[in-house]
Amino acid sequence: KAGVTQTPRYLIKTRGQQVTLSCSPISGHRSVSWYQQTPGQGLQFLFEYFSETQRNKGNFPGRFSGRQFSNSRSEMNVSTLELGDSALYLCASSLALGGGRALSPLHFGNGTRLTVT
Amino acid sequence: QKEVEQNSGPLSVPEGAIASLNCTYSDRGSQSFFWYRQYSGKSPELIMSIYSNGDKEDGRFTAQLNKASQYVSLLIRDSQPSDSATYLCAVGDMRFGAGTRLTVKP
Repeated sequence: KAGVTQTPRYLIKTRGQQVTLSCSPISGHRSVSWYQQTPGQGLQFLFEYFSETQRNKGNFPGRFSGRQFSNSRSEMNVSTLELGDSALYLCASSLALGGGRALSPLHFGNGTRLTVT
Repeated sequence: QKEVEQNSGPLSVPEGAIASLNCTYSDRGSQSFFWYRQYSGKSPELIMSIYSNGDKEDGRFTAQLNKASQYVSLLIRDSQPSDSATYLCAVGDMRFGAGTRLTVKP
């Protein structure tokens, strides 16, 4: 079974631009979560989508948005990029058993390394 | 604010020793607990999941959960240099601790 696929692997953008990251979950997984990882802040939860609906959201500004399609694929968008947005962005999928993702382990993709200059 | 706390380390143990990684959490209602391993430059990978009080063993890894004390730990027996990585604790709605960097010295 194929794992979680994230594209692109690397991105270099300049301040003020916007960026879209893509994530294809493991087949059959309906929950997709996004995380930002930086050396100083660790893994920070951005949001979670389940059946095309945002079910949970972390404490990030509105510049960070996402969506999920009917095939469970998800995209994350960051508008008006800032230098501090440079990070590894990780997507993770889960079965979301028991009506919530909390009971199912996450399976991570390889991440997208975003550099903002 | 629901928090997950881990010793930031770094933790260094000699090869063959037992490495003990600890995690405390604030949300008493949490029902699921996970340990992930992350090698430098790689994404996190699941090592163990535990849902009920007590110990759960998988090869050289043992997860221990004490819900009354809001404490979960990971023991790595016969530590190997290949175990050198950052270990992340995740609780409930997938809130992660900051991770503990483990180095196993040959």
